[in-house]
Amino acid sequence: VQMTQSPSYLAASPGESVSISCKASKSISNNLAWYQEKPGKANKLLIHSGSTLQSGTPSRFSGSGSGTDFTLTIRSLESEDFAVYYCQQYNEYPPYTFGAGTKLELK
Amino acid sequence: EVQLQESGPGLVKPSQSLSLTCSVTGYSITSNYWGWIRKFPGNKMEWMGYISYSGSTSYNPSLKSRISITRDTSKNQFFLQLNSVTTEDTATYYCARYKRTGRPYYFDYWGQGVMVTVSS
Repeated sequence: VQMTQSPSYLAASPGESVSISCKASKSISNNLAWYQEKPGKANKLLIHSGSTLQSGTPSRFSGSGSGTDFTLTIRSLESEDFAVYYCQQYNEYPPYTFGAGTKLELK
Repeated sequence: EVQLQESGPGLVKPSQSLSLTCSVTGYSITSNYWGWIRKFPGNKMEWMGYISYSGSTSYNPSLKSRISITRDTSKNQFFLQLNSVTTEDTATYYCARYKRTGRPYYFDYWGQGVMVTVSS
């Protein structure tokens, strides 16, 4: 399953809301996870099952979608949210496949 | 707290084998599934394989002839070996724990990654 993530780069300011798209090449039901990557830190699981927040994920993060189209939305951006975000499908494996990543930068 | 730490050589010569160790603290590797993932320059992420709580393995078909994942339960470590490396294997390598859901689906704990360069 190919995962197409967009945009590759996104510039925003604190307080704004942003959305990141992840599209699967075939239906993956809701078997999608989102991760956050920050330099010098371990990757963090944000959301699984398309829309279920992992314990500890702030409520300003939300996930939506099923089938082939998924969205990660971050409302009211905080400074700690500037990072790289990846989606990962686990509907068909092996192999598990990831999106190419979205770098969220400070405008 | 669960922690994972990758270790191994940062430089490997072409045609040689890449060997990495993932040391786990705070949780037994005889529970859950444990995976290796790599990120290439340019940020593409590739799942490489996993080893289960029982020692069974699953590998990415694109690597199947070159990869081996093993473990040492007495040391709570698992290992990655990738044979016949080329410059295209230059990447940051991560180990990670699958979240306990009964099946290996997604990762809830990651190591910080170790950069490996393949060069003569």
